[in-house]
Amino acid sequence: AQKVTQAQTEISVVEKEDVTLDCVYETRDTTYYLFWYKQPPSGELVFLIRRNSFDEQNEISGRYSWNFQKSTSSFNFTITASQVVDSAVYFCALSEGGYTGRRALTFGSGTRLQVQP
Amino acid sequence: ETGVTQSPTHLIKTRGQQVTLRCSSQSGHNTVSWYQQALGQGPQFIFQYYREEENGRGNFPPRFSGLQFPNYSSELNVNALELDDSALYLCASSPSGRLGGSTDTQYFGPGTRLTVL
Repeated sequence: AQKVTQAQTEISVVEKEDVTLDCVYETRDTTYYLFWYKQPPSGELVFLIRRNSFDEQNEISGRYSWNFQKSTSSFNFTITASQVVDSAVYFCALSEGGYTGRRALTFGSGTRLQVQP
Repeated sequence: ETGVTQSPTHLIKTRGQQVTLRCSSQSGHNTVSWYQQALGQGPQFIFQYYREEENGRGNFPPRFSGLQFPNYSSELNVNALELDDSALYLCASSPSGRLGGSTDTQYFGPGTRLTVL
């Protein structure tokens, strides 16, 4: 069975600090996808990134960067120079590939990030 | 391009009643997934519809049922409401759901907050 663990329940930082959100996953599939979503207080889940299991290259998008390491089954998310607008709950999610046609996402329990001015 | 929309925004029901939640998928998306998010937790997969047929189901009882229409919009029905059904119900759409196909990104709507008294 697949599982996603986000051990950090809540993180509080001061604006302009860097912060890393951890994500550890478990799956028996060799083909899978990993995602990060942001959930602001409004409730809507906002898609941030998708990575497949065959691409371990790190990715940077502006102040956001992601570190995917299959050897440790981790997909960590770093925000550089955090801003108050980054305050939200962040979810890591996993979707197994294969031939079932089912694309259910398994989510972690989320990390609440509070950025203080 | 219109994103995923859901109605109603909020809903209050009493135990034992029935409820119908609605979702309009993003333009060009033929797959709709439903998730339940209890307070302080990550979303849990309920089921998914592709071309008007159920394409996968999570660990939810049969009183949770759904429909998808020819225009790819969808309904989630919950019968015999229980207090534990109080949650944010999220709908997500994605562009494909072919058996054996690759996993596609799911884009979420703003959710319907259901309160059962």
